[in-house]
Amino acid sequence: NAGVTQTPKFRVLKTGQSMTLLCAQDMNHEYMYWYRQDPGMGLRLIHYSVGEGTTAKGEVPDGYNVSRLKKQNFLLGLESAAPSQTSVYFCASVGRPTYNEQFFGPGTRLTVL
Amino acid sequence: DQQVKQNSPSLSVQEGRISILNCDYTNSMFDYFLWYKKYPAEGPTFLISISSIKDKNEDGRFTVFLNKSAKHLSLHIVPSQPGDSAVYFCAASPNFGNEKLTFGTGTRLTIIP
Repeated sequence: NAGVTQTPKFRVLKTGQSMTLLCAQDMNHEYMYWYRQDPGMGLRLIHYSVGEGTTAKGEVPDGYNVSRLKKQNFLLGLESAAPSQTSVYFCASVGRPTYNEQFFGPGTRLTVL
Repeated sequence: DQQVKQNSPSLSVQEGRISILNCDYTNSMFDYFLWYKKYPAEGPTFLISISSIKDKNEDGRFTVFLNKSAKHLSLHIVPSQPGDSAVYFCAASPNFGNEKLTFGTGTRLTIIP
């Protein structure tokens, strides 16, 4: 099992450009999450999904969109990137019975110039 | 408003001694608590958890203590080893099975050989 994988690992964007981050999990988990990690801020939840075809806003959703068309994939989109979105992005997933013990991917480091 | 706080950004401990990492929370609805460990360039990994019905949970060298009246939890690592050098995040949830976690800002632990 690969667990949770994220694509790409690194990306540099110019302000106003768009991109999509892909998260894939092979554990048949129902719940998936996107977080961002910034210095001194910990992990903050952007959006999450409790099942295929469903998404919900987290703590810092502005400027991001998500889609969960397949159970194993969770996409995070930036339509018009801003320097404030420079961060490390982590995807996580969790399934029954341990709904709290989320499994994380290795992260995507995004720089917006 | 930071509902989960880790007031020590960093901590250095001699190898073989005890490491104590602290976490405070403000939301009295939090009922389930977790610790995650994160190495550079990797995603966080689950370490240990505790439910509010307990005041202590042990797993090998790792023990988590919960003081619900003080809204405080701590992670003890005994004895500390160089491989324990990492960033530690505490996280909280309103209950076991709730799909969302609130993370603290993290404490960087350095074990000095």
